[in-house]
Amino acid sequence: ETGVTQTPRHLVMGMTNKKSLKCEQHLGHNAMYWYKQSAKKPLELMFVYSLEERVENNSVPSRFSPECPNSSHLFLHLHTLQPEDSALYLCASSQGGTISGNTIYFGEGSWLTVV
Amino acid sequence: GEDVEQSLFLSVREGDSSVINCTYTDSSSTYLYWYKQEPGAGLQLLTYIFSNMDMKQDQRLTVLLNKKDKHLSLRIADTQTGDSAIYFCAESAPNSGYALNFGKGTSLLVTP
Repeated sequence: ETGVTQTPRHLVMGMTNKKSLKCEQHLGHNAMYWYKQSAKKPLELMFVYSLEERVENNSVPSRFSPECPNSSHLFLHLHTLQPEDSALYLCASSQGGTISGNTIYFGEGSWLTVV
Repeated sequence: GEDVEQSLFLSVREGDSSVINCTYTDSSSTYLYWYKQEPGAGLQLLTYIFSNMDMKQDQRLTVLLNKKDKHLSLRIADTQTGDSAIYFCAESAPNSGYALNFGKGTSLLVTP
């Protein structure tokens, strides 16, 4: 138990579906992240929210839409995905930025399969 | 972006020491991290080191940092089968206050 909870753990969706991934952190952190983990590729940072404001958006397609209603919750809304979007999506949180040495704590991940 | 390189696979026998190596290219990295990922799970922080240190030890784990060569290593003493996992090296990215640059991970297999 890392203090970062992701649901669902597994999701299969069609290319025309709309679904959402949910993340909740119980650590009192003020920054939350979405990372994408694909086979044989480094982890890719998708979005960062600090104090509920988006501070980074790394050229992610608009079919991925993040939402951070408060500092404990983070969503990733999915719409019209492609099969190559199938991956493990990891949520993480930290207290402040990593440049100050604050560590990032990850959830267990949500396995997404797009069919 | 900057690259973090790791060998993809390492196999050791139970009881031996494991050494996982990592090289990075950004000399201005301030912190370097090791994460462990067990099958079907998220990433678990193992340890991290500040760039002005050259060694950090935590029980069976020893981290060595050669800042001149931009080389980081993780030594696991008395490796156990439960240590079998993927180990990721990561650096804090100075051009971003938040991002970590990860390597592709080293799969460690511990055989009896």
